[in-house]
Formats: sequence, C-alpha cells, structure tokens
Amino acid sequence: AQSVTQLDSHVSVSEGTPVLLRCNYSSSYSPSLFWYVQHPNKGLQLLLKYTSAATLVKGINGFEAEFKKSETSFHLTKPSAHMSDAAEYFCVVSEYQGGKLIFGQGTELSVKP
Amino acid sequence: DSGVTQTPKHLITATGQRVTLRCSPRSGDLSVYWYQQSLDQGLQFLIQYYNGEERAKGNILERFSAQQFPDLHSELNLSSLELGDSALYFCASSLAGAPYEQYFGPGTRLTVT
Repeated sequence: AQSVTQLDSHVSVSEGTPVLLRCNYSSSYSPSLFWYVQHPNKGLQLLLKYTSAATLVKGINGFEAEFKKSETSFHLTKPSAHMSDAAEYFCVVSEYQGGKLIFGQGTELSVKP
Repeated sequence: DSGVTQTPKHLITATGQRVTLRCSPRSGDLSVYWYQQSLDQGLQFLIQYYNGEERAKGNILERFSAQQFPDLHSELNLSSLELGDSALYFCASSLAGAPYEQYFGPGTRLTVT
C-alpha cells in the first residue's frame, strides 16, 4: 500500500530565506507524487507533480521538488520565501492505477517578516 | 480558479438530517473524486466516479452515497447526519485516473448541530 509521511507538522521561516518541506513516501510501484497547497479557507491548489519523467520537478510560484528513489523522498523547496507562501502544504501519492490520492498530514508553513 | 465548482459553499443542518452536495467537474474531465477533510482524520478519499460509473470506494460510510450523472456532474448525499460528519467536503476532477493530476473545487463546509 502507498503512503506518505510529512516529517514536519510546522515550519517557520523568515521572508527571503529558503523553504524546505520534507516528505517521504512508501510505494510498491513507481509512484505519482504531488504537492498541493491550501491557503486558509481555500481549496487545494496543485503546486507540482512527478510522474517518472525528470526527477527535478518545477512547479508554480517558484517551488520545486526532487524525487529521490534511493531515499524514498520528495522534498519541496523554494529559494526565497514570500509572505504569500504562508499556507498548509500536502505531499500526496496517487494510488497505482486507481487514481485516488493519499494525503500526508500536512505541513503548516509560517513566514515571518 | 481550478474550473471545478461546488455548491453550496456552506451548509448548516441538524443531526439526523440529509443533505446533498453538488460538484461540476472541469470541462473535459471524466473522473470525479470526493474527499473529506476534518481536523482529526485529515484529508480522506471517499469515492471516485469515472464517466458515470463508480470506480473506487474509500472510507465512505454507508450513510453516504454518491452518483455521477450523464452530464458528468456529481452529487454526494449524506444522510442521518451526526455531529462527527461536520467537515469540509472537496470534489476533485481529472481527465482519467492515475497518473493524471486532480483539480479541486473550493469545497463545501458542512456543520452539523
């Protein structure tokens, strides 16, 4: 069975500093992995996806993630945080063939001025 | 704007009642998914429809049911409501199953009193 574990429930950074949100996955198959963001009282927005093409995936708003099979990781990074990045971030794996999404518990990102 | 619409935005009802949540997928998407987001359970997959047929079931209670109509919109019916059913209910759509990404609607916030 597939699963994802987000290693930090809360991350706090200062504006202009790098962001690192950590995610480990478990999958018997080559996984499809995603990062979604949820701003307060909003829906979920797709940031980026990995589907076995390039291991470094670029997403929207300057975010990127690197798929590392040897470490079963899919960490999300951004070189410079912006106040508008403050939100909840979810690492997600797609069930093989079926398509249902399995969500991590989420990481709340706070950005200090 | 993801292109997925959900109505109503908010719903307040009493225990024992029945409600219907509605979702219209993005144009061209054949697959619709329903998810429940609560503080204690996080984001959980409920059910998937593909082109009018049920494709997969997750942690969906027997009191809940769903269907997808010929025009591809979907409805989630929740009956005999309990306080614990209070949650944010999201609909998502995708072109098909994995590995296609899912686009989420803004959600319906259900409060059971």
